[in-house]
Amino acid sequence: GESVGLHLPTLSVQEGDNSIINCAYSNSASDYFIWYKQESGKGPQFIIDIRSNMDKRQGQRVTVLLNKTVKHLSLQIAATQPGDSAVYFCAENRAAGNKLTFGGGTRVLVKP
Amino acid sequence: DGGITQSPKYLFRKEGQNVTLSCEQNLNHDAMYWYRQDPGQGLRLIYYSQIVNDFQKGDIAEGYSVSREKKESFPLTVTSAQKNPTAFYLCASSMRRDNTEAFFGQGTRLTVV
Repeated sequence: GESVGLHLPTLSVQEGDNSIINCAYSNSASDYFIWYKQESGKGPQFIIDIRSNMDKRQGQRVTVLLNKTVKHLSLQIAATQPGDSAVYFCAENRAAGNKLTFGGGTRVLVKP
Repeated sequence: DGGITQSPKYLFRKEGQNVTLSCEQNLNHDAMYWYRQDPGQGLRLIYYSQIVNDFQKGDIAEGYSVSREKKESFPLTVTSAQKNPTAFYLCASSMRRDNTEAFFGQGTRLTVV
């Protein structure tokens, strides 16, 4: 399959444990953030989003936390499963229009 | 099924040749985007279009060109002026309003030899 990042930071997690993936952003004017999951050789898939007027949002097995004070975003995955192994990107909408700016990504490896 | 389709999945071209990557969507989205992805990096915006017959440069537009003659289609041409064209290219689309998710195609892997 395609390699989407040979030198990405990697998070190894035991199956069943919780995962936390972190992302720092630089533009305090960013008002919308998305987490995407990308499996090898595929396009990114939407996981969850959050607007800047919120500090927490929950989905199915995932939670996104936004700390605007320190410009930090995190994605928490509960009870990590082998199918969660992928590269995870955060994206921010920095300006008017829907132009998303992506972070560098984190590879998650789930150990059985 | 509604979706966004990129073709081909793999593309090989000789150095100095122009090549056009296809992107089609049937989601009725006004906005479409092209991103480039290199190993170890996130996605970088090449061009985007918010409406038919209009498009704007992204962060790395040099060496690329696009057209938006139809709402459903946003082809990307990688020209011979692009100095390092080998990469994974991703097309996306979204509704035109601000702060909405973008849906991605499966990508085209371009290798220039």
